[in-house]
Amino acid sequence: DQQVKQNSPSLSVQEGRISILNCDYTNSMFDYFLWYKKYPAEGPTFLISISSIKDKNEDGRFTVFLNKSAKHLSLHIVPSQPGDSAVYFCAAGMEYGNKLVFGAGTILRVKS
Amino acid sequence: EAGVAQSPRYKIIEKRQSVAFWCNPISGHATLYWYQQILGQGPKLLIQFQNNGVVDDSQLPKDRFSAERLKGVDSTLKIQPAKLEDSAVYLCASSFPGGDTEAFFGQGTRLTVV
Repeated sequence: DQQVKQNSPSLSVQEGRISILNCDYTNSMFDYFLWYKKYPAEGPTFLISISSIKDKNEDGRFTVFLNKSAKHLSLHIVPSQPGDSAVYFCAAGMEYGNKLVFGAGTILRVKS
Repeated sequence: EAGVAQSPRYKIIEKRQSVAFWCNPISGHATLYWYQQILGQGPKLLIQFQNNGVVDDSQLPKDRFSAERLKGVDSTLKIQPAKLEDSAVYLCASSFPGGDTEAFFGQGTRLTVV
């Protein structure tokens, strides 16, 4: 039972353009959502999060949008940089930082 | 601030052998997690500790996997006997309990069972 889905296995974007990574979830009890970035041979690193009481959270070039009615969230990276090339995981939980359920990840390639 | 430390980084064993992984969380983090990440999939929670007590081990294959966190700090995850399908990256993470805090991950141990 995949409660968190990232339907795009990969995404390729030109440097300077916007990258949009999508995530869908099925469990309406989830109330916290996080994005992690992972480089090869490293563990995932926390990027940005959003609580279900918000619909947007911004941190520099990274913005996460949450649409609770659609059970959908997205991560926008503007402008995209080559160093952003990594695997991005969406995660959801019912208590912040605990019992996270991860999506399968999206490989982002930013071309220079 | 020192991150989550894991060892070994890589391990190759034959099926039916046993293996153990070690994790040292970030100082002060009461919550510790072990995740299994199979190639092409997202991390899957195996077990979660709060101090030295188990909070969730519902997805831990208890017939072959065991984990402990003595003294509420370091943790070990053991597989005995290993199967081919156990080949994965085993990730340890830690966090402060509850509140507005994210989990910090170690680099992981890549296990290959042949």
